[in-house]
Formats: sequence, C-alpha cells, structure tokens
Amino acid sequence: DTVLTQSPALAVSPGERVTISCRASESVSTGMHWYQQKPGQQPKLLIYGASNLESGVPARFSGSGSGTDFTLTIDPVEADDTATYFCQQSWNDPTFGGGTKLELK
Amino acid sequence: EVQLVESGGGLVQPGASLKLSCVASGFTFSDYWMSWVRQTPGKTMEWIGDIKYDGSYTNYAPSLKNRFTISRDNAKSTLYLQMSNVRSEDTATYYCTRGYGSYDYWGQGVMVTVSS
Repeated sequence: DTVLTQSPALAVSPGERVTISCRASESVSTGMHWYQQKPGQQPKLLIYGASNLESGVPARFSGSGSGTDFTLTIDPVEADDTATYFCQQSWNDPTFGGGTKLELK
Repeated sequence: EVQLVESGGGLVQPGASLKLSCVASGFTFSDYWMSWVRQTPGKTMEWIGDIKYDGSYTNYAPSLKNRFTISRDNAKSTLYLQMSNVRSEDTATYYCTRGYGSYDYWGQGVMVTVSS
C-alpha cells in the first residue's frame, strides 16, 4: 500500500496563509487529491490531480506537488475552513492520509 | 442536484452478512464509475473498491476482496455493497462515492456496527 503521511493538526488565525502537507511513501505522480471534512458531514472534494480546483471551490484553495510531496494551501484562511483535510492518492490502489485537523485561533 | 443516499446499515453480529444500497439521482448513473469508501470511528479512511460504469469490472482493496462484493443496477440507479463474514474491524461509516480516482460526490454515509 502507498502510505500517505499528514501532520495531525494545525492552528492558524483567520486571514493567514496555511499549508497542509502530505507525503507519499512512493511516487504517485500527480495522482493526489484533497478533501475537506467538517464534523458530522461527508468529505468534499477540493483539489484533484494535485493542482486542479474542483468546480465551486473557492480560489483560496490551491494544491501543488508531484511525486511524493504535496501541499494544500488556503490563503487567506476563513473561520468556515475549520475542518479536517485528507489527502488521497489514486496512482496505485487508492489510499488516504490520516487527516490534518485545522483549527482557527 | 447530485444526490447519493445510502441505506442498509445498522447493528450486525460478527460473522453475519449485510447489504448496503446507494440510490443515485441528479446525474446519469450509468455514465460513471462508482466506489465505496469507509471511515472508522477513529476517522481513518479506507477505500473498499470500485465498479465500472457498466458493471463489467470491479476492483477491491486486497484485504477486503474475499468478503466484500460491489455491484450495481443501472436501471435502478443503485449501487450495492455486499458484506459477508463481518468482523468488529468492519465497524465504520460507509460512503458511496462517484468517480474513479478522485471522488467528486459522496453520500451522507451509513453506519455499520459489528458487535455481539
């Protein structure tokens, strides 16, 4: 299995820029996707193919990376962005990262 | 509006079988690959498997392949997950998702609890 590693949690202030990282145990090319999950809700696709913004998602969200290192950036962060963010790769059998819980100060 | 509505979850005893359903609406179901993903109480996400738009091909997580079966009825716009010989570690919220690779729509999820 391709293991995806994320930092467990981050805390930022509204208006700041935040980067959430995801490292793959092997290259996944650009087969990386990002989801936002708020408490009690299903995940929502934000970024697909490493850097493509899903329709309807604010341009404050962006993704970058290829190979093994990927980043989701939110700039600027808003209060409504409080959520857990998951990366997921599809280069091999799909696997998910453990999620990064984003809290606002 | 795209909607995916799962059903069929609940409390089930170890070793039993269970079949989940997902009714799709708001899009042409037969045009899309569909997948099942589950999330444990500890929030770990796990891909279960997917099925081609015409039902001719399925792919499963190797650890689940022998116990879980995905099928679909395009005439009913419904996706299924047949679970057999369930174990306590199958306790999770099960999501029906649209897509292959990335998943652009998710159902609200259905809870399955395996316990005696």
